[in-house]
Amino acid sequence: SYELTQPRSVSVSPGQTVTIPCSGDDLGHKYVSWYQQKTGQTPVLVIYQDTRRASGIPERFSGSTSGNTATLIISGAQPMDEADYYCQAWDSSIAWVFGGGTEVTVL
Amino acid sequence: QITLKESGPTLVKATQTLTLTCTFSGFSFNTGEVGVGWIRQPPGKALEWLALAYWDDDRRYRASLRNRLTITKDSSKNQVGLIMTNMDPDDSGTYYCARAYSSGWGFDHWGQGALVTVSS
Repeated sequence: SYELTQPRSVSVSPGQTVTIPCSGDDLGHKYVSWYQQKTGQTPVLVIYQDTRRASGIPERFSGSTSGNTATLIISGAQPMDEADYYCQAWDSSIAWVFGGGTEVTVL
Repeated sequence: QITLKESGPTLVKATQTLTLTCTFSGFSFNTGEVGVGWIRQPPGKALEWLALAYWDDDRRYRASLRNRLTITKDSSKNQVGLIMTNMDPDDSGTYYCARAYSSGWGFDHWGQGALVTVSS
């Protein structure tokens, strides 16, 4: 079965840039989305179709893909960005697959 | 305004069948290439996609659970159901329904989630 791999956790200082990688076979040829889930809350779509920001998402969030890796970038991280972040891939053969999630700490 | 809401039992016994319903508003299956799916999350663990019903009656399932899952669709009521057989305590968690505007667009609207506990 298809798998997406994310680091368990990353930390960043306020105002700095953090990157969250997500790796999977041939990921560059699949559609990738990213979700933010704060503690006790419902997931929120942040990025879809690899690089497109969802409605209402601040410009400091961006996405990129290259080869087998997709990356979520938070430029100028804020304390409110502390959350778990999940990548998710789609194509017609794998359907929807979520990564294991990355806990982002801003301190 | 788009909303989705899950309903169903909060407690089921092992080996029983779970039936959940997602009732949505603010869009319909006639809106476009819309799909409504189910995603679950065990306590403290990652999101796991389960199934999705498309506007055109196509259905997709998580391969590893295919023999236990059925997704239903009632366009007239704006509802999507999930039936999961032979429940196990490991199936406990929060079950979300969510809208996918189009397959590659991600799940852009989510329900609040339904917490399901499976007792042994």
